[in-house]
Amino acid sequence: GQQVMQIPQYQHVQEGEDFTTYCNSSTTLSNIQWYKQRPGGHPVFLIQLVKSGEVKKQKRLTFQFGEAKKNSSLHITATQTTDVGTYFCAGSNTGNQFYFGTGTSLTVIP
Amino acid sequence: SQTIHQWPATLVQPVGSPLSLECTVEGTSNPNLYWYRQAAGRGLQLLFYSIGIDQISSEVPQNLSASRPQDRQFILSSKKLLLSDSGFYLCAWSPDPGYGYTFGSGTRLTVV
Repeated sequence: GQQVMQIPQYQHVQEGEDFTTYCNSSTTLSNIQWYKQRPGGHPVFLIQLVKSGEVKKQKRLTFQFGEAKKNSSLHITATQTTDVGTYFCAGSNTGNQFYFGTGTSLTVIP
Repeated sequence: SQTIHQWPATLVQPVGSPLSLECTVEGTSNPNLYWYRQAAGRGLQLLFYSIGIDQISSEVPQNLSASRPQDRQFILSSKKLLLSDSGFYLCAWSPDPGYGYTFGSGTRLTVV
């Protein structure tokens, strides 16, 4: 299957600091999705990006799709303890099935 | 509204025993259905996906199989479990390809 890599694997930040996770694909993607998984929980869909260079915002979260549609990023401004969890990107080159990245586990220190 | 149910929540099974995990979706018709596995501290691995009854694609060759006996029912099975089958199994659905997935609450399987 498709390879989607994410960095970093772990990130510890002080509450109020910013956080960014990066997603890279070996092939051009048609769509990329982002999910959040709280500890002990299941992934929850956050957003989908489909256009080259697309930027979408959800409150303190900013999602970006690269111009070449091979990479994406999620940036959280001024992290809060409620942001704790693992963030996954999931890419598809057909739009039918999505391949998940390895995830970035975010710890927010109060 | 649509809901997805997955059971059991946890399962401890001996090596060599069979497995059957069930997932059902309510409130929609002809959903796209998926089975993923997540090893401890790892990402999600796509195992099977189905766009309709008796239309199942396998992503990873292994001793697992999937069936879709009804439109909104997706079953993951194994005839003989291996230690390496331990993990967190997640069922998901989407209304159409390219939409976000809604995941079930998952089954934590430990093979002993």
